[in-house]
Amino acid sequence: DIQMTQSPSSLSASVGDRVTITCRASQSISSYLNWYQQKPGKAPKLLIYAASSLQSGVPSRFSGSGSGTDFTLTISSLQPEDFATYYCQQSYSTLGTFGPGTKVDIK
Amino acid sequence: EVQLVESGGVVVQPGGSLRLSCAASGFTFDDYTMHWVRQAPGKGLEWVSLISWDGGSTYYADSVKGRFTISRDNSKNSLYLQMNSLRTEDTALYYCAKDTREEGALDYWGQGTLVTVSS
Repeated sequence: DIQMTQSPSSLSASVGDRVTITCRASQSISSYLNWYQQKPGKAPKLLIYAASSLQSGVPSRFSGSGSGTDFTLTISSLQPEDFATYYCQQSYSTLGTFGPGTKVDIK
Repeated sequence: EVQLVESGGVVVQPGGSLRLSCAASGFTFDDYTMHWVRQAPGKGLEWVSLISWDGGSTYYADSVKGRFTISRDNSKNSLYLQMNSLRTEDTALYYCAKDTREEGALDYWGQGTLVTVSS
């Protein structure tokens, strides 16, 4: 099975900061990497699919990059509504493993 | 508007059984693979199972294989998860989610239904 790791597990940032979250797969997954945002008490929301494609309706301050085993989610200028937990997920194999999550909170 | 509404979550004793349902609307249900994803209280997301558009292919996480069965009824736009031999570690909020088809991402999610396994 493909294992996913994320770093950091949590971070504190201020409004306006540039934030970068890293996701690593245990084997190459090409570009089959997706990013989700989850706020407390809410269902996850798809932000980025296929490593770098922005889901419809998602603000352009979110971007994704990477291929193979190493991927990055970047928020170019953190907004108050972006404080949440972010998960990566691989869809290369049918068992669509999620990463453990990165919690972004207010500094 | 795409809507996914889960139901069936309750408190059940260890070793018990339960069937979750997910009612879909706002899209052509039988065009899409569907998934179940769960989240234990205070924990991260865990992918559970998927079923192809026609029900012909199903896959399971190792943690539920042999105990859970995913199914669908395209005539009723409904997805199901039959859960047997439940364990305390199955306690979680269970989400159904729609697949994007080409990329395998999950673009729409329900609000979840809570399953609590406790004596």
